[in-house]
Amino acid sequence: DQQVKQNSPSLSVQEGRISILNCDYTNSMFDYFLWYKKYPAEGPTFLISISSIKDKNEDGRFTVFLNKSAKHLSLHIVPSQPGDSAVYFCAARDLSGNQFYFGTGTSLTVIP
Amino acid sequence: EPEVTQTPSHQVTQMGQEVILRCVPISNHLYFYWYRQILGQKVEFLVSFYNNEISEKSEIFDDQFSVERPDGSNFTLKIRSTKLEDSAMYFCASNVAGGIETQYFGPGTRLLVL
Repeated sequence: DQQVKQNSPSLSVQEGRISILNCDYTNSMFDYFLWYKKYPAEGPTFLISISSIKDKNEDGRFTVFLNKSAKHLSLHIVPSQPGDSAVYFCAARDLSGNQFYFGTGTSLTVIP
Repeated sequence: EPEVTQTPSHQVTQMGQEVILRCVPISNHLYFYWYRQILGQKVEFLVSFYNNEISEKSEIFDDQFSVERPDGSNFTLKIRSTKLEDSAMYFCASNVAGGIETQYFGPGTRLLVL
């Protein structure tokens, strides 16, 4: 049961351009959403999050947008840099606060 | 910068054997977690641990699995009788005060069950 979906397994973007990573979810009880970044041979690292009461959260080059009616969130990276090349996981937490659900990840390649 | 460490980085075992995956969380952290990622699939939550007991576990975490904090530094995941489908990358994570956003992940242990 895939409650969090990342339908694009990979994405390539030119350096300096915008990267947009998408995530869809099915459970309306999710109250908190996160993006993690993962380099090869390393564990996921937290990148940015958004509460379900907001529709946008910005942190430097990273912005997460939440569209609750569409059950969709996206991560924008602008400008993209080669060091951003990694796998990005979308994750969601349900109202109980303890169960976390991850997407399958999108591999981003930023081309110099 | 402090980090979560995991050993071994890779483990190969025969089906039916017991394995113990080890993690050393960051020293002042109080909450500990195990996740797994089967190749090509999503990262899945297994269990959270606080105050020497399990605080939450997923459906995956059945009687074959157990966790322990045997001393002040290690946090272990034991799989009693491994199955082929247990082959995955297992990630340990820890944080100070609970809450997913502040979790620090280890590099993972790749388990292969033959």
